[in-house]
Amino acid sequence: DAKTTQPPSMDCAEGRAANLPCNHSTISGNEYVYWYRQIHSQGPQYIIHGLKNNETNEMASLIITEDRKSSTLILPHATLRDTAVYYCIVRVSPGSGNTPLVFGKGTRLSVIA
Amino acid sequence: NAGVTQTPKFQVLKTGQSMTLQCAQDMNHEYMSWYRQDPGMGLRLIHYSVGAGITDQGEVPNGYNVSRSTTEDFPLRLLSAAPSQTSVYFCASSYYAGSGYTFGSGTRLTVV
Repeated sequence: DAKTTQPPSMDCAEGRAANLPCNHSTISGNEYVYWYRQIHSQGPQYIIHGLKNNETNEMASLIITEDRKSSTLILPHATLRDTAVYYCIVRVSPGSGNTPLVFGKGTRLSVIA
Repeated sequence: NAGVTQTPKFQVLKTGQSMTLQCAQDMNHEYMSWYRQDPGMGLRLIHYSVGAGITDQGEVPNGYNVSRSTTEDFPLRLLSAAPSQTSVYFCASSYYAGSGYTFGSGTRLTVV
C-alpha cells in the first residue's frame, strides 16, 4: 500500500468545519483512500472512503484532488465529540486483494469550545 | 447484531503464561484482523484472515498464533507472554476487503 502523510495535530473551534489533510503522492490507480477515527481508547471507527470522486455521508465529506495525490476529510460542523485521532489509509480497491488495513500515526484533532 | 465482541476486556498475566484473546462477530464477515496498540502509538497489524481456514501474518506476528475454524470466531493466542506484549488489542472484521471495518472495544492486557 502507498504511504500517507498527515499533520500530527490540529485544532478546530466547535461549530466550525474541520478540514483534515492527507498526502498520498505515490497512490496507485487501483488504491482507495479510507478514513477512520479513534476516540480516546475506543476501537477505531470507519468514516468514509473514495477512489477519485468526492464522497459524502452522514458523518463527513471526502475531497480527493484530481491527480489523487492528496485528499481532505471535512467534518462540516465539528463538535467536542469529534475530538479524536483521524487516520488516512490508502489500500487496494475493494475485492481485488487480501491486503488488510495498515494504520499510520494519524492526526490528533482537538475540537475547542 | 452484537457486532464485534472481544473477551476479556481486561487481563493481567505473568511472564511466561499463555492465554487466548477471544473475538467473535455475528455479521457474517469474511475478513477479520487483530491489531495491537501501545500507549501513545498507532495500531499495528498482528495477524489477519480472509476467510475460514485462511490466515496470514501482519507487521508484528511474533509471539502470537491465530486460527480461523469458523467465519464467526478469530481467537488470538499468546504463546508465552512477555512484558513487551503489554498493550491494547483490537479485533476487526469487514464484509469484504474494501468495505469499512468494524472494530471491537478492545482487550487491555498487562504482562508483569
